[in-house]
Amino acid sequence: AQSVTQPDIHITVSEGASLELRCNYSYGATPYLFWYVQSPGQGLQLLLKYFSGDTLVQGIKGFEAEFKRSQSSFNLRKPSVHWSDAAEYFCAVGPNSNSGYALNFGKGTSLLVTP
Amino acid sequence: SQTIHQWPATLVQPVGSPLSLECTVEGTSNPNLYWYRQAAGRGLQLLFYSVGIGQISSEVPQNLSASRPQDRQFILSSKKLLLSDSGFYLCAWSGGGGTAYEQYFGPGTRLTVT
Repeated sequence: AQSVTQPDIHITVSEGASLELRCNYSYGATPYLFWYVQSPGQGLQLLLKYFSGDTLVQGIKGFEAEFKRSQSSFNLRKPSVHWSDAAEYFCAVGPNSNSGYALNFGKGTSLLVTP
Repeated sequence: SQTIHQWPATLVQPVGSPLSLECTVEGTSNPNLYWYRQAAGRGLQLLFYSVGIGQISSEVPQNLSASRPQDRQFILSSKKLLLSDSGFYLCAWSGGGGTAYEQYFGPGTRLTVT
């Protein structure tokens, strides 16, 4: 079965500090992995994706993520957080061929940025 | 470029009333379309998906239904709303083949059932 676990429900970081959001997945084959960001009351925006190749992928807004097959992880990182990064972050894995190639999403990590 | 629209943005409806939420996609053809519901702290729940006109699959038994009358139009409906139908409804599309599995989301509809 496919699933995504985001162990941290809430994370608080100071502005300018580094950030790492954790994501662990379960998938029967080589996964396609994604990170999305959601601002309050908005839809989800794709930050980055991993299909194959280089295990360190760069995304928008200065984010990057590293795929580690041995750990079944796809953690999101940013070297210096800005106040505008406060949002909800979702990790997703797919595709699920039994659901129209939909993605399975984690429950999200809420990021709070303090001055 | 592709764009996805949802309306209305917010909706307050009494219990037992009907519902119709609309989603349209521009700039692509034959997309896979999805309806999700998001409840606080519970992530995204896939409700329906569609891989073509008139092809609807339901993931969760409920009093909601979906239709796809046109290639890029996806509608979520209910004949009689329940309190438990309150939530944030998101429509999404994907390319549906090859490596185009990433999904793109609309701005969402906040539904409050009173």
